[in-house]
Amino acid sequence: QKEVEQNSGPLSVPEGAIASLNCTYSDRVSQSFFWYRQYSGKSPELIMSIYSNGDKEDGRFTAQLNKASQYVSLLIRDSQPSDSATYLCAVNMYDMRFGAGTRLTVPP
Amino acid sequence: GAVVSQHPSWVICKSGTSVKIECRSLDFQATTMFWYRQFPKQSLMLMATSNEGSKATYEQGVEKDKFLINHASLTLSTLTVTSAHPEDSSFYICSARSGGEQETQYFGPGTRLLVL
Repeated sequence: QKEVEQNSGPLSVPEGAIASLNCTYSDRVSQSFFWYRQYSGKSPELIMSIYSNGDKEDGRFTAQLNKASQYVSLLIRDSQPSDSATYLCAVNMYDMRFGAGTRLTVPP
Repeated sequence: GAVVSQHPSWVICKSGTSVKIECRSLDFQATTMFWYRQFPKQSLMLMATSNEGSKATYEQGVEKDKFLINHASLTLSTLTVTSAHPEDSSFYICSARSGGEQETQYFGPGTRLLVL
């Protein structure tokens, strides 16, 4: 089992819809969780971090964490074509482990 | 968020030459920095973990004599690709870990290497 798993996609959502990106992780002792966005040809940029169970909102982004289920998700409301990118889930175990990323496409 | 810079942003070199890439944390001290490589349409691949003042830890399959890493200070790590070959052409990205209770990893903008 991979340490951090994401659906590779591509995930296509219509403009204005909600995009839901999911991630599961294997290590129960993980305490901090991150979502990065990577545009094609660019390096990843941090968009959200979450440390406690529940929801954390930042603008159009909501991160959700459920440690009991070892599950973290990212919701993007009112999806825009500029949200088209690969989204990387990262989990801080003894060091940071990244998922392979989910490619999101929001057609104009 | 914290800022990590990389230099150069792109480099073209002849086969057999060595290329040095610098990674700097601009507004925080990073005891640990990481070097990744990414080929087109593929995932990030961790190459090595660099701790200030000690030898880097390389991932399996990464040649430590080919990819020399030096982490001389809390704000600077360098990656030297020695005797580069065309198959070393890739996107090299560094990241730096900020300390404190909520450790976070920030990425540099990456260096695109093309070996002719």
